[in-house]
Amino acid sequence: SQKIEQNSEALNIQEGKTATLTCNYTNYSPAYLQWYRQDPGRGPVFLLLIRENEKEKRKERLKVTFDTTLKQSLFHITASQPADSATYLCALDTGRRALTFGSGTRLQVQP
Amino acid sequence: NAGVMQNPRHLVRRRGQEARLRCSPMKGHSHVYWYRQLPEEGLKFMVYLQKENIIDESGMPKERFSAEFPKEGPSILRIQQVVRGDSAAYFCASSPERSSGYTFGSGTRLTVV
Repeated sequence: SQKIEQNSEALNIQEGKTATLTCNYTNYSPAYLQWYRQDPGRGPVFLLLIRENEKEKRKERLKVTFDTTLKQSLFHITASQPADSATYLCALDTGRRALTFGSGTRLQVQP
Repeated sequence: NAGVMQNPRHLVRRRGQEARLRCSPMKGHSHVYWYRQLPEEGLKFMVYLQKENIIDESGMPKERFSAEFPKEGPSILRIQQVVRGDSAAYFCASSPERSSGYTFGSGTRLTVV
């Protein structure tokens, strides 16, 4: 069966460290993958899109990698801040013509 | 640009009533998507529409749920004869192209009592 897996356990890190979140998928061949941030009670906010022919994408303190052989994407936040605390969702183009979302990983950055 | 506008923000319905959720996409966005989210769960795809067309409704329950995106006016998600299990947050998103990042609204929180 098709699956998108994100670590359901919260990730707790100290301010200033790099946060690394993982998105694994099975039985998909996505043309692109996206990452979103969601705060409690709010809609998700688009952060980055990476295509299958791109290995890495950066935006300010954010970096995304996409390994189509491992079927994995890593999402990094460098120099993390308490304001980065949120749930981060990965989303795949799964051929259904709309994005399929993972269940998200909650990040908590401690001051 | 006001972003994606959803209303109402909160909606309370008694079992058996109808719920109508509205979504105005961002200006220039012709692709509209509806997702449902239960507490502590991920976003579940419901339906993808373009003006006057349903592109993919494979995530929509076969009964009681319908969606439209008319030539004029907002997209509407309609739930007839609501049941307690319909209680959830319903998010609408829009994009200029299918492969672009989505812009989400703030959601409508439906409570069925």
